[in-house]
Amino acid sequence: EPEVTQTPSHQVTQMGQEVILRCVPISNHLYFYWYRQILGQKVEFLVSFYNNEISEKSEIFDDQFSVERPDGSNFTLKIRSTKLEDSAMYFCASSGDTRWAFFGQGTRLTVV
Amino acid sequence: GESVGLHLPTLSVQEGDNSIINCAYSNSASDYFIWYKQESGKGPQFIIDIRSNMDKRQGQRVTVLLNKTVKHLSLQIAATQPGDSAVYFCAENYTGNQFYFGTGTSLTVIP
Repeated sequence: EPEVTQTPSHQVTQMGQEVILRCVPISNHLYFYWYRQILGQKVEFLVSFYNNEISEKSEIFDDQFSVERPDGSNFTLKIRSTKLEDSAMYFCASSGDTRWAFFGQGTRLTVV
Repeated sequence: GESVGLHLPTLSVQEGDNSIINCAYSNSASDYFIWYKQESGKGPQFIIDIRSNMDKRQGQRVTVLLNKTVKHLSLQIAATQPGDSAVYFCAENYTGNQFYFGTGTSLTVIP
């Protein structure tokens, strides 16, 4: 069964540092997403990406965040100058010809 | 913004019984809804979806009901099994590709 893979599974970083979360979407999918889930809270949409550009972003996705598809298989989320409140599970997802998306297992980001 | 909420944060059922998980949504413009299942340590997994032009959709052991009049969505799981223990999220879509998730209901199946 195809799956979305994310690395690392857990990332610990110091406040103020930059982190890059990596994702390999399902190979024939064209739409890519990042969501986050703060512990005990809802899964929140961050950004969607299609045709090598951002198609939508939420209010959360400010200048601190950026996404990139550096090659034909990876999709990354960069968080600059991390804050304590950035600690969360970050989920990558991808979709092809369905409106619903396949999610990865997540990266737990801990900012200390 | 609009929110999707769940009535019950936890639900415990006996193995073999049917489970009903409820969800209230607040945006009448939502035209597409999804139920996701999230097991511990894993990402959300698609279960079933429904468009707003339908009021019921059935899958394997699962049924989603949509009541647009009261903006209510439910997930029914027949003959609940221990492997069904997870957190269940509903999500709604009313603009572009953004999905708005509910808080989640934790389902525990008692053997």
